[in-house]
This record gives sequence, structure tokens and C-alpha cells, in this order.
Amino acid sequence: SAVISQKPSRDICQRGTSLTIQCQVDSQVTMMFWYRQQPGQSLTLIATANQGSEATYESGFVIDKFPISRPNLTFSTLTVSNMSPEDSSIYLCSVASGQVTYEQYFGPGTRLTVT
Amino acid sequence: AQSVAQPEDQVNVAEGNPLTVKCTYSVSGNPYLFWYVQYPNRGLQFLLKYITGDNLVKGSYGFEAEFNKSQTSFHLKKPSALVSDSALYFCAVRSAGTGGGNKLTFGTGTQLKVEL
Repeated sequence: SAVISQKPSRDICQRGTSLTIQCQVDSQVTMMFWYRQQPGQSLTLIATANQGSEATYESGFVIDKFPISRPNLTFSTLTVSNMSPEDSSIYLCSVASGQVTYEQYFGPGTRLTVT
Repeated sequence: AQSVAQPEDQVNVAEGNPLTVKCTYSVSGNPYLFWYVQYPNRGLQFLLKYITGDNLVKGSYGFEAEFNKSQTSFHLKKPSALVSDSALYFCAVRSAGTGGGNKLTFGTGTQLKVEL
């Protein structure tokens, strides 16, 4: 399985500011995903990060609010823009690799608190 | 659309007793099914998967899960629970077909509490 790291592990931010979360994988992967886990809730897929093209966003999530970069097969960033307290969540990246994308592996998450 | 139901928010079990965490699913075509575990302040860890073949799949830490196509269920089990198994467990599904892409749909999670 891939080893995934995320930076920062946690942050406290003021409303109106932006935070960029980095996701680094120790091997090349085909697909990377960004999820949000709000307090006490399940995971919600924000977008699929596509290498060399724009991310594919799920319903309810837009590029202006959550811009994503995927410059190569081992790295991606998610920016949470113009933050509000409602953006307080754990943000997780995950990867699925190869042609047989049966399971996803998750990073440790970034715990974001917006005050 | 695909969906997952975990009907129990919390399951309590005594250490040494068997445990079951329930999951039912809905998906077009054949399912790929997964269980993940989340410990406090940690990311999700992959436990096991069902893709095809034997209905009983074995995974990490002594866990296993039984796929039942007629009941569209994929319950997580362990013969003898440990206090260290206390965590949040998520069931997830995706369609074996390509129509749904590679998106996983997660259940709402079940908090497992194992007590001495």
C-alpha cells in the first residue's frame, strides 16, 4: 500500500483567509481524491484530482472555493478559500493506483478549525 | 446511485465476546465492498475488501466480513473483541462497473466500544 503524508496535520485559521493542504505519496498513483469529514460525520468526496487536467468536483463543491492542483503523479494540493467556521473539518486525501483501483488508501488528515 | 447504510451508531461489546458491525448497500451491478477503521485523531485505515470469490473475506487485526448478495449485506465480524478494537468503523461501496468512476460511497460510521 502507498504511504501518504499530509501537511499541515492541523491548523487554526481566521475566517476569510485561505489554507493550502499538501498531500504527498511515496509512489506514483493514478488517482487522488480529496474528502471532507465534518465533526461526527462520515466522509464526503470533494473532488478527484486529475494529473494534467482540472479536478472533477462533486455536487456542492466548486473550484473557486476548493481549488486543487495535481502537478505530478505523487503530489496534490487542496486550498480551502475564504474560510468560514462551517469549513472546520478534517480534510483527507486518498489514493488509488494502477488499473485495478479496488481500494483507496488515506492520508492521516488535516484537522482545520476556523475561528 | 450507490449508497451504504450502517444502522447502528454505536455497538458495545465485552472484551472476549464476538462482535458484529452491520452494513447494507445498494449499487448498480456487482459491488466492491470495503471496511475501514478510524482511530481518534487518525486517518482511515483499510481493513478488508470484497471484490469477487469467497463470500467470507479475512482482513487485518483478525477481522473478517461476510458478503451476502441476496441480503445486500457486508457485515464486519471478529470472533473475540479486544479493548484496542474500540474505534470508528466505516463501510464503503463502489460499483464494479466503470459508470460510477472510482468513487467510493461511505456509510455514516459505527462507533465500536469494547469494554473490560
